Amino acid sequence: EVQLVESGGVLEQPGGSLRLSCAASGFTFSSYSMNWVRQAPGKGLEWVAYISGSSSTIYYADSVRGRFTISRDNAKNSLFLQMNSLRAEDTAVYYCARALLVPANYYMDVWGKGTTVTVSS
Amino acid sequence: DIQMTQSPSSLSASVGDRVIITCRTSQRIRSYLNWYQQRPGKAPKVLIYAASSLLSGVPSRFNGSGSETEFTLTISSLQLEDFATYYCQQSYSSPYTFGQGTELEI
Repeated sequence: EVQLVESGGVLEQPGGSLRLSCAASGFTFSSYSMNWVRQAPGKGLEWVAYISGSSSTIYYADSVRGRFTISRDNAKNSLFLQMNSLRAEDTAVYYCARALLVPANYYMDVWGKGTTVTVSS
Repeated sequence: DIQMTQSPSSLSASVGDRVIITCRTSQRIRSYLNWYQQRPGKAPKVLIYAASSLLSGVPSRFNGSGSETEFTLTISSLQLEDFATYYCQQSYSSPYTFGQGTELEI
């Protein structure tokens, strides 16, 4: 079964750091690009970051660029999001999502259940 | 960055109704537009990719159309399980922005 399981979400103070993980199973992890998407309480979806299968291509949302770092370990079938200089507005459920590349498009076809990050003093 | 404008933000409807959700983009994106459904407390689920391609297993009452800057998601005959929030998302260029969502209510 294809599965993504996020972990690492906790209550953290403003200015602090956190590392989220996403464990992938049931597919050849290195063959797929991956994303982080977040959802603040009662709000819509916000795309956060993208990483290609080989880690050669990485993109970030403007709201997190310079503070967050996406990475992956293909040997361990794992995706990470290092979050530094946390702000209250980073409070959200964080989802990892697989990117399926098709001709002329890509979409996120498999999602984890999410992990909750709360930034508060 | 490509701005997404989704409308309406919420919609009240009944079982059997036909509903249309619109997504407009600030730049031309060809057919790089996807639609997701999210039920409360659940992760999003992709319904349509490349503007009009229905994912396997998604009921045929869901239909996507459009290109460049204007796109629509039509649900032809609402079922109880369709009451959820719908998001468009552009995959043309980073940042891969989502629309603000359309909450479909009974």
